[in-house]
Amino acid sequence: DTGVSQDPRHKITKRGQNVTFRCDPISEHNRLYWYRQTLGQGPEFLTYFQNEAQLEKSRLLSDRFSAERPKGSFSTLEIQRTEQGDSAMYLCASSSETGSREKLFFGSGTQLSVL
Amino acid sequence: AQKITQTQPGMFVQEKEAVTLDCTYDTSDQSYGLFWYKQPSSGEMIFLIYQGSYDEQNATEGRYSLNFQKARKSANLVISASQLGDSAMYFCAMKPIIQGAQKLVFGQGTRLTINP
Repeated sequence: DTGVSQDPRHKITKRGQNVTFRCDPISEHNRLYWYRQTLGQGPEFLTYFQNEAQLEKSRLLSDRFSAERPKGSFSTLEIQRTEQGDSAMYLCASSSETGSREKLFFGSGTQLSVL
Repeated sequence: AQKITQTQPGMFVQEKEAVTLDCTYDTSDQSYGLFWYKQPSSGEMIFLIYQGSYDEQNATEGRYSLNFQKARKSANLVISASQLGDSAMYFCAMKPIIQGAQKLVFGQGTRLTINP
C-alpha cells in the first residue's frame, strides 16, 4: 500500500496557461475525489468518481475545469486558461468504502501558483 | 446545506496535556456523520475519528475521543496526553447520511502546536 500519489507536488504557471494534475489512488480503491484548499481554509469538494464514472461535480468546477478517470484507475484534473484565483492546493483522495463512515485517504496535494 | 465552524484559529498546549478542539455544525439533515482529519505540514489529510449522529456513545480511537453534544450541535475533538507529533492543522467535517451524498464539508481548521 503506497498511499495516494499526486504529481506534480508544485506547479507555477502564468495566467492563461493550461495545467494538468495527476492522481494515482490506492490500487484497490474504486472511489476517487478531488478537493481544492485555499490558504487558511478547509478543503472544498470539486468532483467525485466511482470507477470511471464522474458522478458528482461541484458548482465550483467551472467550464475551465475538467476531470477524467479513463480506466477507473488514475485521474487527471485539467484547468484551462488559468486565473490567479485558481491558485490553491489541489487534493486527491480515494476510498474503497461506501456509506456514512467512509474514510478518505488523501494525497499530499498539488500546490498551484498562478502568476 | 451544511456548515462547520471552528472558532479557534490556533491552540498552544504543553506536551502531555489534554487538548480540546472545538467544532460546531449546522445542518437541516436528520442523519449525518461527523469526521475529524489531521493535516501535518506535509499536506496529506489523515482520518482520525468518526461520529454518527445516531450513535448513542461518543466515539473513541486511541488517544482521540469525540465529545458529541447533539442538542448543542457540537462535536469537539479531545486529544489526551498530547505529543509533539500532534502539531498540525485539524479539520472538522460532516456529510449527510442520505443516498448519493458523497462530499464532505470541512471547517476552516485549527492549528495545534504542542510545546515541549
